[in-house]
Amino acid sequence: SQQGEEDPQALSIQEGENATMNCSYKTSINNLQWYRQNSGRGLVHLILIRSNEREKHSGRLRVTLDTSKKSSSLLITASRAADTASYFCATDALAGGATNKLIFGTGTLLAVQP
Amino acid sequence: KAGVTQTPRYLIKTRGQQVTLSCSPISGHRSVSWYQQTPGQGLQFLFEYFSETQRNKGNFPGRFSGRQFSNSRSEMNVSTLELGDSALYLCASSPPGTQGHEQFFGPGTRLTVL
Repeated sequence: SQQGEEDPQALSIQEGENATMNCSYKTSINNLQWYRQNSGRGLVHLILIRSNEREKHSGRLRVTLDTSKKSSSLLITASRAADTASYFCATDALAGGATNKLIFGTGTLLAVQP
Repeated sequence: KAGVTQTPRYLIKTRGQQVTLSCSPISGHRSVSWYQQTPGQGLQFLFEYFSETQRNKGNFPGRFSGRQFSNSRSEMNVSTLELGDSALYLCASSPPGTQGHEQFFGPGTRLTVL
């Protein structure tokens, strides 16, 4: 399977704590994206990091990318109960040609306890 | 701008029937992708349409097909439904450009096959 792997599969933390989730992928990429999904609904785009970037910030989110290890991490600082959701990394394929096809990871289910 | 819309939101069918799902992308978006999400297989890419042409296709049987109209609205069809087709079907649209953009997802159509 082309699918990426994420760990942990599930994470439970207290409000105010930081949450870190990791993603590994298999092929060379142009960019890597992180998405959030609440309770089996549509996905919401969080952040995109290009293959020539190593770190990117957006509000309470920090994403790192290590293309040599084919891995990425998403850090959510000062978590809130509203951050409870599933988080997915998604990659395109460098050799994929003109396409928006994404390959998703297996996801991390984050539960933030109030 | 209005978001990506999908109809219907919920659908119950029986084995052997066929189903058509509809997706209206964000105005101005010409790329529409479809994904299937199941607990066992996760998020899997079905196909992508761009300017009424299928630009990429995932590893699904020929029972799964789609099309895109001149107004960029897209439909996907599943014929001869099987129990394993029960899933959340998500469509996503992307802004103009070739690739590497964030995708905007609709709320999904929850298909149950009995």
